[in-house]
Amino acid sequence: EVHLVESGGGLVQPGRSLRLSCAASGFTFDDYAMHWVRQVPGKGLEWVSGISWNSGSIVYADSVKGRFTISRDNAKNSLYLQMNSLRAEDTALYYCAKGGIGSGYFYGHFDYWGQGSLVTVSS
Amino acid sequence: QLVLTQSPSASASLGASVKLTCILSSGHSSNAIAWHQQQPETGPRYLMRLNSDGSHSKGDGIPDRFSGSSSGAERYLTISSLQSEDEADYYCQTWGTGINWVFGGGTKLTVV
Repeated sequence: EVHLVESGGGLVQPGRSLRLSCAASGFTFDDYAMHWVRQVPGKGLEWVSGISWNSGSIVYADSVKGRFTISRDNAKNSLYLQMNSLRAEDTALYYCAKGGIGSGYFYGHFDYWGQGSLVTVSS
Repeated sequence: QLVLTQSPSASASLGASVKLTCILSSGHSSNAIAWHQQQPETGPRYLMRLNSDGSHSKGDGIPDRFSGSSSGAERYLTISSLQSEDEADYYCQTWGTGINWVFGGGTKLTVV
């Protein structure tokens, strides 16, 4: 059974940094792209960043480009999101999501989601 | 720029059927999409991938009551024999080079 468990969220002041982690299990982690998606409470889903199976392809939403860095450690079955220069508008629940197509495919649907980690940016 | 348009809300009676719509913006009518369900206070759950020809592949454990279909730039999610636990937000998603990944605004389904 696939499990994605996010951690690392919390309350942080504007301009500071935070690192989210996602522990994955139940599938061959290094065969799939992985993503971060965020959701302001009460609002819709916003894709944040994606990384291919071997970290060879990495893309970001314009809203976080230059401030956030996605990475993965296939040996540890873990996905990360380093968030720098945080702003109030980055306040959201951050979900880790698994790419739905293996064998090195980057673009495709998401087929599993975590339960999210809440990030609150406030002074 | 690719935009996915969903009605903000829908309602249907317990035991009835409902058809939710996701519309792909002009020039993207051949894109596949995915449907995701988000029940209150939980993370999203993948329902199915839906291709432009109406073929679809469902996620693990998704009941037969959930089905998908397509017509032109419109993608549909039909839920039959509605149950109380189907009350949720439903999001469509698409993807592609240069598009990256895009979500529709979501439809809040109320089961009355």
